[in-house]
Amino acid sequence: EVRLVESGGALVQPGGSLRLSCAASGFTFSNYWMGWVRQAPGIGLEWVANMKQDGSEKHYVDSVEGRFTISRDNAKNSLYLQMNSLRAEDSALYYCARDLISASCCYGMDVWGQGTTVTVSS
Amino acid sequence: DIQMTQSPSSVSASVGDRVTITCRASQDISTLLAWYQQKPGKAPKLLIYTASSLQSGVPSRFSGSGSGTDFTLTISSLQPEDFATYYCQHSKSFPLTFGGGTKVEIK
Repeated sequence: EVRLVESGGALVQPGGSLRLSCAASGFTFSNYWMGWVRQAPGIGLEWVANMKQDGSEKHYVDSVEGRFTISRDNAKNSLYLQMNSLRAEDSALYYCARDLISASCCYGMDVWGQGTTVTVSS
Repeated sequence: DIQMTQSPSSVSASVGDRVTITCRASQDISTLLAWYQQKPGKAPKLLIYTASSLQSGVPSRFSGSGSGTDFTLTISSLQPEDFATYYCQHSKSFPLTFGGGTKVEIK
């Protein structure tokens, strides 16, 4: 079964840091672009970042550029999101997602995790 | 950045109705558009990619069309399980922005 499982969400104070993880299984992780999408409570979807299979390309939404870093460990079938200088507006459910077509970007995200919740509050 | 505008923001419809949702891009995105369905408490589900290609396992009552800046998602005969929120997303360039969503509600 193709599966993504996120972890690492927590309550953190403004200015704090957090590292999200996404464990992949059931497919050849190293063949796919992977990304993060977030959703604030009651709000729509926001694409956050994605990354090429070999890590040679990384892209971010402007609002997190310079604060968040996407990374991956293909040997561990894992995707990460290091989040620094967190703000209240970063509070959301963070989804890990896989790009549809192996070795290609970006046709849509066909596999999603269940999400992990980040709350930034004092 | 390319902005994606969906309309309407919500629609009330009955089972069996034909429902059409529109997504407009702020610039030409060719056919680099995907549609997703999201139900409460669940992750989004990919329905359509490259504007009109039906994702595997998605019922044929869903269809997508359009190119350039104007796109539509059509549900030909609304079923009870289709009541959800629908999002478009472009992939022409980074950032890969989503539309604001369209909630399909029971009439």
